[in-house]
Amino acid sequence: AQSVTQLDSHVSVSEGTPVLLRCNYSSSYSPSLFWYVQHPNKGLQLLLKYTSAATLVKGINGFEAEFKKSETSFHLTKPSAHMSDAAEYFCVVSDNAGNNRKLIWGLGTSLAVNP
Amino acid sequence: EPEVTQTPSHQVTQMGQEVILRCVPISNHLYFYWYRQILGQKVEFLVSFYNNEISEKSEIFDDQFSVERPDGSNFTLKIRSTKLEDSAMYFCASNGPSYEQYFGPGTRLTVT
Repeated sequence: AQSVTQLDSHVSVSEGTPVLLRCNYSSSYSPSLFWYVQHPNKGLQLLLKYTSAATLVKGINGFEAEFKKSETSFHLTKPSAHMSDAAEYFCVVSDNAGNNRKLIWGLGTSLAVNP
Repeated sequence: EPEVTQTPSHQVTQMGQEVILRCVPISNHLYFYWYRQILGQKVEFLVSFYNNEISEKSEIFDDQFSVERPDGSNFTLKIRSTKLEDSAMYFCASNGPSYEQYFGPGTRLTVT
């Protein structure tokens, strides 16, 4: 069975400092991994995805994540936080088979960015 | 840019009533999903739908739930007799060949 563990429920950083949101996964298959962001009162937006190609994945708004199979991790990073990055971030896994896939979600990490 | 839309944005209903949540997926997508997020909990998969039938459903998706694609554009989730514990944010999603799922803004269902 697949699962996702987001290691921090809440992360607080200062504007301009690096962001690290941690995610570990468990999967019986070769997984696809995603990070989604949810701003207050908004829908779920895809930040980036890993699908068995390059292990370092770049996404929107300067975010990137590195797939590390040996550590079963897919941590999300950004070199310099911006106030607009304050949001809820979800790490998501799906099995790598077919186009019709259910997504398994982590509990989310709430990112606060302080001025 | 095409997007998934959902109506209503907020639905308040009394326990035992039927509700229908509506979604318009992206027009050339073929795979459709419903997820829900109870306040403070993780997003949970409910059901996937392809070629006019359910592909997979979770244990949450019991006989009280049904989905339908009544025409070429809408994708609906019906809850026949709502319970208090059905209160949640319901998200619709769709994907095409790239299997990247695009989500709607959600419908907040409040059962009183």
